[in-house]
Amino acid sequence: ETGVTQSPTHLIKTRGQQVTLRCSSQSGHNTVSWYQQALGQGPQFIFQYYREEENGRGNFPPRFSGLQFPNYSSELNVNALELDDSALYLCASSRTGGEVGGYTFGSGTRLTVV
Amino acid sequence: GEDVEQSLFLSVREGDSSVINCTYTDSSSTYLYWYKQEPGAGLQLLTYIFSNMDMKQDQRLTVLLNKKDKHLSLRIADTQTGDSAIYFCAESGRYSSASKIIFGSGTRLSIRP
Repeated sequence: ETGVTQSPTHLIKTRGQQVTLRCSSQSGHNTVSWYQQALGQGPQFIFQYYREEENGRGNFPPRFSGLQFPNYSSELNVNALELDDSALYLCASSRTGGEVGGYTFGSGTRLTVV
Repeated sequence: GEDVEQSLFLSVREGDSSVINCTYTDSSSTYLYWYKQEPGAGLQLLTYIFSNMDMKQDQRLTVLLNKKDKHLSLRIADTQTGDSAIYFCAESGRYSSASKIIFGSGTRLSIRP
């Protein structure tokens, strides 16, 4: 049973709108990563936050931004939504850098942009 | 650049062994992973192997790593219907200060009776 909770599970937005996705990490996990998984593809790294600061970023434009809070929760914000932003967004939390398989993934938020 | 490739589909008979193959490009990869994703679910870590190991066995799962050829495989013995899922090969190392994971596109494993 996963200790990472994401909300909402499904969301439909209109092109040009803004969206906020939420993640509640396991207690004690000070690192959170966000991934985008398009249909039929593997997850792609968006960015990682460590102790409330961005700690690495993948090939995503600045309209993808995030926040991490002291209570182990985090947000992914996407501005000016495009149709290609339709995907499953996965949050993964870990202790420190998260290597050695230490990531715990949530079940994701499926975002549909119409 | 970093890339992980794997075949898209695999069909096996229940009780047989399944072998899922993967190739990667980044020779600096530190860890290699196999994740499982069932419909509507997140990613479940099945197993991982350090880049300096050749083989790892964990119950029904056997991971083989050929570092020279940058080839990773996952063998599932006695495949059951509950093994139906998408299996992702992935690798990570240290990129700047973030441990991002690079995933393949996934292999859909289907089990036939």
